[in-house]
Amino acid sequence: SSELTQDPAVSVALGQTVRITCQGDSLRSYYASWYQQKPGQAPVLVIYGKNNRPSGIPDRFSGSSSGNTASLTITGAQAEDEADYYCNSRDSSGNPNWVFGGGTKLTVL
Amino acid sequence: EVQLVESGGGLVQPGGSLRLSCAASGFTFSSYWMHWVRQAPGKGLVWVSRINSDGSSTSYADSVKGRFTISRDNAKNTLYLQMNSLRAEDTAVYYCARDVDAFDIWGQGTMVTVSS
Repeated sequence: SSELTQDPAVSVALGQTVRITCQGDSLRSYYASWYQQKPGQAPVLVIYGKNNRPSGIPDRFSGSSSGNTASLTITGAQAEDEADYYCNSRDSSGNPNWVFGGGTKLTVL
Repeated sequence: EVQLVESGGGLVQPGGSLRLSCAASGFTFSSYWMHWVRQAPGKGLVWVSRINSDGSSTSYADSVKGRFTISRDNAKNTLYLQMNSLRAEDTAVYYCARDVDAFDIWGQGTMVTVSS
């Protein structure tokens, strides 16, 4: 099965831009989705598909992809964006499973 | 309101069994594939299992294959996860999630603790 690799921790100054990345072979075939999880809460979908935001997700969140790497960009990070962020995608071609990245802890300074 | 509500978690001894339920409301449950995802304390999200919309196709993570069974009752708008031969490493919060080629709706989770 495939794996998705994320940096364990990233920090950003309040109001600045931060990029969180996710690498894996499955991303050459499938889009990544991105989830935000705050302590004690269920994950929330923030980006899916090529670069789609569910209703209610601020437009400072955006997604992109190149080769085997997907990125989540937060432009003008806010204090409330401090959270864990996870990517996921379908597993390798022909495999019906899904896979999550290990997660990135985002700290807003 | 679109909602998923898990139940059935608790404390179980190693080797024991537990059945989790996920009640769906606010959408046409029978039209969607569904998933179970788990999160051990202080750890990341791990995909566990998925089922297609009519229940005819399932798949599992290698770590639970042969021990866990996913199923659904579309008449009751409910998703299930039957967990047998439980191990300490199965201790986690278990979430159900709706599949729209991303996991767009999540339940609040139910805690499963495997310990003697």
